[in-house]
Amino acid sequence: GENVEQHPSTLSVQEGDSAVIKCTYSDSASNYFPWYKQELGKRPQLIIDIRSNVGEKKDQRIAVTLNKTAKHFSLHITETQPEDSAVYFCAASRLGRLYFGRGTQLTVWP
Amino acid sequence: DTAVSQTPKYLVTQMGNDKSIKCEQNLGHDTMYWYKQDSKKFLKIMFSYNNKELIINETVPNRFSPKSPDKAHLNLHINSLELGDSAVYFCASSQMTSGGRSSYEQYFGPGTRLTVT
Repeated sequence: GENVEQHPSTLSVQEGDSAVIKCTYSDSASNYFPWYKQELGKRPQLIIDIRSNVGEKKDQRIAVTLNKTAKHFSLHITETQPEDSAVYFCAASRLGRLYFGRGTQLTVWP
Repeated sequence: DTAVSQTPKYLVTQMGNDKSIKCEQNLGHDTMYWYKQDSKKFLKIMFSYNNKELIINETVPNRFSPKSPDKAHLNLHINSLELGDSAVYFCASSQMTSGGRSSYEQYFGPGTRLTVT
């Protein structure tokens, strides 16, 4: 099956700085890569996704890059704000299955 | 307008009991999922149903039995509950493409926190 590795497990940044979270996947058949944000006690919420035919996607302060050859993808958050503090999960999908990374606890200090 | 809803939100029960969690989606999606999130926050898929048919069954004890009465509902019944079943269970839904590959976003319900004592 698919194996998704996510790093770092914790990340602390100062407000206004950038944050980068990296993931690798093992199955070259995976074709969809979403990122979810989960606040404490809440449901995972999709914040951005990318498909295997695209190398980069941006939505305001959030961007995702995908390198299919190297089988890795990254989440970039610019101008971080305290409300960005949460656990972020990457995932890789094939055949309808979402395989999640183990999450990154992002803390943004004011 | 709740897109994916689950009941109950909290469930506290004793070992050996049988319990059910219900999920409903009003997004018109044809595929629904159950995920388990353990105490370390790891999210793992358990089951998936497409148009009321089971299409994914990861390695889950057969004490767990999903049931889909229609494509808007997916329930999870758990027999003989064990301490290790304590977790947050999330339902999700998505629209599967006609090619059989789900490359569209999955929307999660609010979760059911199950505590087995």
